[in-house]
Amino acid sequence: DTAVSQTPKYLVTQMGNDKSIKCEQNLGHDTMYWYKQDSKKFLKIMFSYNNKELIINETVPNRFSPKSPDKAHLNLHINSLELGDSAVYFCASSPWTESTQYFGPGTRLLVL
Amino acid sequence: QQQVKQSPQSLIVQKGGISIINCAYENTAFDYFPWYQQFPGKGPALLIAIRPDVSEKKEGRFTISFNKSAKQFSLHIMDSQPGDSATYFCAASKGSSGNTGKLIFGQGTTLQVKP
Repeated sequence: DTAVSQTPKYLVTQMGNDKSIKCEQNLGHDTMYWYKQDSKKFLKIMFSYNNKELIINETVPNRFSPKSPDKAHLNLHINSLELGDSAVYFCASSPWTESTQYFGPGTRLLVL
Repeated sequence: QQQVKQSPQSLIVQKGGISIINCAYENTAFDYFPWYQQFPGKGPALLIAIRPDVSEKKEGRFTISFNKSAKQFSLHIMDSQPGDSATYFCAASKGSSGNTGKLIFGQGTTLQVKP
C-alpha cells in the first residue's frame, strides 16, 4: 500500500504549456506539502496545506497554484511552464501535531 | 540565506567503516532535527531524528550526535554497507507540522560505500 502517491511519475512538456501534478496520501494526515528538488538535489519547500487551508507559501511564482480538494489530496498546477521549472517535485504529508514528514516518490518534470 | 549547512558534499567509505556527515544550523528556534535518506529515483525517507533535549540518539547502526551550544549535529553510520550508498539530507524545523513545521534541508551528502 502506497502511503503518499504522486501522478504522473514523469512529465515532459514544452515551454509555455500548463500542467498539473496530483498527490494523494492514505495516512490520515492533516498536513500536506510540496517540495522542489533542483538539479543539485537541493530540497526546498514550496507550499503547505492543513485541512485544505494554505499555511505556507514560500515566495513561489504565481504560475504555481496548489489546490487541496480534501485533506487527503494536494494538487499542483503550473501555468506557462519555463525551462527553470525542470526539477523533481515531491509531495509530503504529516500529522498536524507531529514533525515527521512522509514523502511521495516524486514527479520528474522536464520542460523543453 | 542557507539556514542549514551540510558537509561534506560527497563521501566515499570502505565497507565496514564509519560514515560521518555534519550539519550546522543558525536558527536557535529549531527544535526538531531529522536525517533523511534518498535513493536514486525515490523520495526522501526519514532515517532518524533528534530533539535538542538529548545529545545523542541511536537506532541500529545510525547515531545522531547533537551539540546545542555549537548549533551542530551529525550522523554517524557504523559498519557502513554498500546498501547504505545514497544521498543523505539533514534538516531542521521549529514546532510541530504546518505553519512552523516546515523542514529546512541541508544541501545533501552523496555517500558511496565501496565493497
